[in-house]
Amino acid sequence: QKEVEQNSGPLSVPEGAIASLNCTYSDRVSQSFFWYRQYSGKSPELIMSIYSNGDKEDGRFTAQLNKASQYVSLLIRDSQPSDSATYLCAVNFNDMRFGAGTRLTVKP
Amino acid sequence: NAGVTQTPKFQVLKTGQSMTLQCAQDMNHNSMYWYRQDPGMGLRLIYYSASEGTTDKGEVPNGYNVSRLNKREFSLRLESAAPSQTSVYFCASSQASSGNTIYFGEGSWLTVV
Repeated sequence: QKEVEQNSGPLSVPEGAIASLNCTYSDRVSQSFFWYRQYSGKSPELIMSIYSNGDKEDGRFTAQLNKASQYVSLLIRDSQPSDSATYLCAVNFNDMRFGAGTRLTVKP
Repeated sequence: NAGVTQTPKFQVLKTGQSMTLQCAQDMNHNSMYWYRQDPGMGLRLIYYSASEGTTDKGEVPNGYNVSRLNKREFSLRLESAAPSQTSVYFCASSQASSGNTIYFGEGSWLTVV
């Protein structure tokens, strides 16, 4: 079974705080992991991809991967109101499967 | 920068009607996908095409058919629409089906009454 699980939220953080988003997946064979951001009424857009265990940083975003625990997370530092969106975790199982998404609200 | 283009953007159908959603990409990608998105359900894969000439079922294929017309185009057909097919449909493409970022079209809002 190809499953991707996310806390549906909603998650609310104050401006400037760190937002932490989590995702687990069912298949140990998976090698490619992605975080997408989706604004209301828009299509998903890629934030980050990660393929190796450990951390990957890109600006205010850090993706963390632990294949042994089948866990991938996204940290958003210095959260801004413009980060308010739904964040989708995606895992490649030969096809691409998505979690249900976590809705994040950053309050000014 | 067209990327992935899908049409129509909005459509209202009556139960039992048929329609085809069209999708084309100009990035020379090998793989193409159709997803549907319902509130609280995330994106669910309907069908995908790993390469020209191949199609495979995803999580929720029932009630749909697809055609990979050529490398650029991947259409989704609803033969007899049902209210349960009311959803937002996204077409997407990637260089390959394994390990590559997928890029989405802008979505098609379909309502079946």
